[in-house]
Amino acid sequence: AQTVTQSQPEMSVQEAETVTLSCTYDTSESDYYLFWYKQPPSRQMILVIRQEAYKQQNATENRFSVNFQKAAKSFSLKISDSQLGDAAMYFCAYRRGGTSYGKLTFGQGTILTVHP
Amino acid sequence: NAGVMQNPRHLVRRRGQEARLRCSPMKGHSHVYWYRQLPEEGLKFMVYLQKENIIDESGMPKERFSAEFPKEGPSILRIQQVVRGDSAAYFCASSPPPEWINEQYFGPGTRLTVT
Repeated sequence: AQTVTQSQPEMSVQEAETVTLSCTYDTSESDYYLFWYKQPPSRQMILVIRQEAYKQQNATENRFSVNFQKAAKSFSLKISDSQLGDAAMYFCAYRRGGTSYGKLTFGQGTILTVHP
Repeated sequence: NAGVMQNPRHLVRRRGQEARLRCSPMKGHSHVYWYRQLPEEGLKFMVYLQKENIIDESGMPKERFSAEFPKEGPSILRIQQVVRGDSAAYFCASSPPPEWINEQYFGPGTRLTVT
């Protein structure tokens, strides 16, 4: 079974600084997807970024980028120029690839605090 | 295109009562997932449904929980004889076909409190 581990229960960052959230996963599959979701206090789950395992290039979305290390099974999220609105719980998630359906396996989450 | 709708947003039930949670997927989406988030934890998969079919219910507790996604109308997650341990946020997500390559779009969740 696939597992996703986020070893940082809480992180904090100063506004405008950069922060990196860690995630490791375990799978025997070669084809899969990895995601970072943001959950603000409203509890709405918001997709931040997605990475296909077959792509060597790290995904980026504006201020958000990932460091995907397939051999190490590591998938960290870097938030640059942090903003107050980035404060939220962040979840790393895994999904099998191929034509299997896409149930997500989530990590435990990291609470990110942004200080003004 | 309206997002995934869930209602009610908050539901309070006494122990032993039934809870019904509804999920209306986005227009054109025929696949629905239900996840549960216990306090201070990540989301855990419960069940995956297509219209009129349960495809995978491996994450669903064997007793008291059931789910359906009828041909017409919303998907329903039903919890019978609720207990305090059922208190959690329940999220629904939907995706369009072919769902194995498309994103899941989450609803705002239903927060169930059992007193």
